[in-house]
Amino acid sequence: QVQLVQSGAEVKKPGASVKVSCKASGYTFTSYDINWVRQATGQGLEWMGWMNPNSGNTGYAQKFQGRVTMTRNTSISTAYMELSRLRAEDTAVYYCAREVDCSRTSCSTFDFWGQGTLVTVSS
Amino acid sequence: SYVLTQPPSVSVAPGQTARITCGGNNIGSKSVHWYQQKPGQAPVLVVYDDSDRPSGIPERFSGSNSGNTATLTITRVEAGDEADYYCQVWDSSSDPWLFGGGTKLTVL
Repeated sequence: QVQLVQSGAEVKKPGASVKVSCKASGYTFTSYDINWVRQATGQGLEWMGWMNPNSGNTGYAQKFQGRVTMTRNTSISTAYMELSRLRAEDTAVYYCAREVDCSRTSCSTFDFWGQGTLVTVSS
Repeated sequence: SYVLTQPPSVSVAPGQTARITCGGNNIGSKSVHWYQQKPGQAPVLVVYDDSDRPSGIPERFSGSNSGNTATLTITRVEAGDEADYYCQVWDSSSDPWLFGGGTKLTVL
């Protein structure tokens, strides 16, 4: 069965960086894009960016351009999201999600999500 | 940039029908996806491409999309349906993936 298992909670100081991992199993890792979405406590879902695990191509939300880097290690079917220059407002749960094509039309959607990784930024 | 608007909350009695809307300019021309999120859990896809259901999602969950409003309909609502629901679309004009602000469904 498809699973995305993320790394554990992190506590970081302002200005530091954090790297969250997302290990895929149950499918061919390089066949589906991985997206990253975050959620601050009590808030909604915020899309951060995507990565094609086959090519390594990425696309980032404007808000995170210059601060986020998405990479992968295909030998261990793992995607990574690194966010730098952390500030208190980056405190959130970070999710990875697999993107798959819709069956009827040319759309795509997020069918499986990781369990989430809490990143706390505090001095 | 494109904006998705959801009501903050919807309340319904058990056994009744809940309708959660997602408004956007000409959203009927886009494919809309819906996620259910229970407290402390990751989102779960319940409806995709306006009206399709992933395997394992009950037939009680359905969707429609026309004009400026997409709707998630949950019939015969159960206590276990209490959750936050988010709509999502892909839009080429800005950051491609957009989420609505979410709707908290309360089962009375």
